[in-house]
Parts: sequence; structure tokens; C-alpha cells
Amino acid sequence: GENVEQHPSTLSVQEGDSAVIKCTYSDSASNYFPWYKQELGKGPQLIIDIRSNVGEKKDQRIAVTLNKTAKHFSLHITETQPEDSAVYFCAARYSSASKIIFGSGTRLSIRP
Amino acid sequence: DAGVIQSPRHEVTEMGQEVTLRCKPISGHNSLFWYRQTMMRGLELLIYFNNNVPIDDSGMPEDRFSAKMPNASFSTLKIQPSEPRDSAVYFCASSLQISGNTIYFGEGSWLTVV
Repeated sequence: GENVEQHPSTLSVQEGDSAVIKCTYSDSASNYFPWYKQELGKGPQLIIDIRSNVGEKKDQRIAVTLNKTAKHFSLHITETQPEDSAVYFCAARYSSASKIIFGSGTRLSIRP
Repeated sequence: DAGVIQSPRHEVTEMGQEVTLRCKPISGHNSLFWYRQTMMRGLELLIYFNNNVPIDDSGMPEDRFSAKMPNASFSTLKIQPSEPRDSAVYFCASSLQISGNTIYFGEGSWLTVV
């Protein structure tokens, strides 16, 4: 069935270090993979996305990689800062149903 | 530009009461999604519409839940009768089209059923 698995569920890193969050998806026909950041009391906000015709995309300190063969994609945050503390969600669009399914989320904490 | 607007932001209601959550999507967007967020189940897609037509309601938990989109600028999610296990944050989101474009979330409606 449609499924997106996300790991880890919690992640604590020292300020300035890198953070990596990994996701796997089940539908090999999925072609769109967004990442969302959710701060306390707010709705998820898109921070970066990648389409299946691209293997990597970068935006300042944030990068995403996609391995279509293995059906997994990752979010990399470098030089982490306190404001990076939030819950991060990966997602995949299932082409058969054209709906976006979310992973279970990763609570990222940046230690000062 | 105004984002997705949801109301109410917070609601506390007694078990058995009817709850109506409202959503105004971003102007020009033709796809609308209702999600529910809980600690146990994360972000679940309940239903989505394209051009005001429900496309997939397989995520609606049971018959107590219903959603409508009478026009391009308004949607409702109704729970009748409400139960304590319905307590969650309900998000509405919209996008320009179903196929791949970014979906934008509202700030959510925090529902507590006591």
C-alpha cells in the first residue's frame, strides 16, 4: 500500500553540526518528494522539494538527495542553528492517486 | 497574499456535539486537502478535492465525518456526533493543481472533544 517511512523520530545535534533525516517510499511511480518544517503551533511549511528526474537539490544550508532505485530520499541540514529546531516531515506523491502521503515526522533539536 | 485560512483556530466541545471546521483556500488554487494530525498517527490525509469535486475520501475515518466544497473558495469538514478520539489538529491545504505542485497548509484548527 501507500507508505512513507521516516527515520529517526527524534534527532538531537550540536549547533553547527549537520543533521540527516531519511525516508523511504513504497510506490516506484512516485515522482514528487517535498519536505516540510513544522514549528510549534503552526502548520507545516514547505522548505524544499525534489522531483524524480533529479538526484539532488540544494538551497543554502538545506539539501535533498533522491535514490529512485532504492526508493529512498534524505534531507541534509548543514551548519545547524537554533531556529532549525522543529518537526520535519518528508512526503511522497503517489502517482496512482495523485495524493501526497507524509512520513511520521522527525523532531529535530539543536543543542547550543 | 493571504494563505490558507482556517476557522476556528481552537474549539473545545462536548462529546456528541456537531463540529464544523472551515477553510478558505488560496485564491486560484483548485485542489484542496483536509489532513488530521495526532501524536499517534501523524499527518493523515482525510479527503481531497479537485475543482470542488471530492476525488478520494478513503481517509475519512467513519460516517461521522463529512466534507463539502460548495465553491472554489470554501470548504467545510463536519463531525457529527463528535467523540473524544476526534481530538486532533485538523489542517486544510491547497495547491494549484493536484499533479505535483506545492501544497500550502493553513495554521490548523485545534479540536478538543471532552
